[in-house]
Amino acid sequence: AQSVTQLDSHVSVSEGTPVLLRCNYSSSYSPSLFWYVQHPNKGLQLLLKYTSAATLVKGINGFEAEFKKSETSFHLTKPSAHMSDAAEYFCVVSLMNRDDKIIFGKGTRLHILP
Amino acid sequence: KAGVTQTPRYLIKTRGQQVTLSCSPISGHRSVSWYQQTPGQGLQFLFEYFSETQRNKGNFPGRFSGRQFSNSRSEMNVSTLELGDSALYLCASSFGGANTEAFFGQGTRLTVV
Repeated sequence: AQSVTQLDSHVSVSEGTPVLLRCNYSSSYSPSLFWYVQHPNKGLQLLLKYTSAATLVKGINGFEAEFKKSETSFHLTKPSAHMSDAAEYFCVVSLMNRDDKIIFGKGTRLHILP
Repeated sequence: KAGVTQTPRYLIKTRGQQVTLSCSPISGHRSVSWYQQTPGQGLQFLFEYFSETQRNKGNFPGRFSGRQFSNSRSEMNVSTLELGDSALYLCASSFGGANTEAFFGQGTRLTVV
């Protein structure tokens, strides 16, 4: 069975410091992995996606994520946090099998301290 | 091009009533998925329609149903509303397939009183 675990429900960092949002997945098949961001009262927006090409994926707004098969992880990072990064972030796993199911993590709320 | 449009944006219903939510996908997208988002449970998958057929279904009771029309627009219906159905309902559209990007609407905020 597939699953996705976001290890932290809340993360607080100071503006200008690095961001790390952790995500682990479980899958019997080769997964596609996504990170989405949701700002308050807004819909979800795709940050980046991994689909078995390069293991280091660069997304929008300076975010990137590295797919590590040995660790079954897909952590999201950014070198320097900005106040506008305050939002909720969702890690998503999707399988290229006949079910085509998409599983969302429970989300990590990122707080940026001035 | 226009994004995913969900109507209405806000809705207040009383227990026992039924409600229908609408989602218009991005032009050309054939897959529409519905999600329920609550503070306690996070984002939970309801169902997905592709070319008018329900292709996947989450673990929700039969009170939750949906359909998709030939123009890919989708509706979700919840009957016999319960207080616990209060949530943000999100719709996402895509071309279909597991590794294609899903585009989300802004959601319908349903409050059951």
